[in-house]
Amino acid sequence: SQKIEQNSEALNIQEGKTATLTCNYTNYSPAYLQWYRQDPGRGPVFLLLIRENEKEKRKERLKVTFDTTLKQSLFHITASQPADSATYLCALGNYGQNFVFGPGTRLSVLP
Amino acid sequence: DSGVTQTPKHLITATGQRVTLRCSPRSGDLSVYWYQQSLDQGLQFLIQYYNGEERAKGNILERFSAQQFPDLHSELNLSSLELGDSALYFCASSGVEGYNEQFFGPGTRLTVL
Repeated sequence: SQKIEQNSEALNIQEGKTATLTCNYTNYSPAYLQWYRQDPGRGPVFLLLIRENEKEKRKERLKVTFDTTLKQSLFHITASQPADSATYLCALGNYGQNFVFGPGTRLSVLP
Repeated sequence: DSGVTQTPKHLITATGQRVTLRCSPRSGDLSVYWYQQSLDQGLQFLIQYYNGEERAKGNILERFSAQQFPDLHSELNLSSLELGDSALYFCASSGVEGYNEQFFGPGTRLTVL
């Protein structure tokens, strides 16, 4: 069955550093991958989408990579700020199929 | 604000009862998705509707059912409630099926006592 893993349940980093979150998957060949941010008690908010034929996507301080050979996506937040503290979810999908969400990584950016 | 609304925000009920959760998608969005999120399970896909038709089913229990109405709002019905059904229930919408981003509502927190 499909399995999605996100590096660690929680990640603590110092303000100003780059946070790197990992999403690994098995038994799945996604056509695209999305990253969402979720704050406690609130619905997830879309951040970035990357397709299987794209290696990298950027948006402001965010960067996503997608390696279909390694079955892995990396999500980077550069110059991290305490306001970036949240849970980050990766979601895999295929055309005509529904998303499968990973368990999430809780990021804490310490001032 | 995502443009997706969900009511009620909180719901407290007893085991064995039945409740209905309501979702209004963003204006113009045809797809509605329902998710359940509990502390130990993460975000679990339940069911999807597109323009009134059921499109996909995930891990939805037989005690649960949903529908999407002609005005595109959707309802999730949960019956014979058990303690384990306590969770956050999210509705999301998207403009088209497939890879587009989903816009999530604020959720309904269900507590079954």
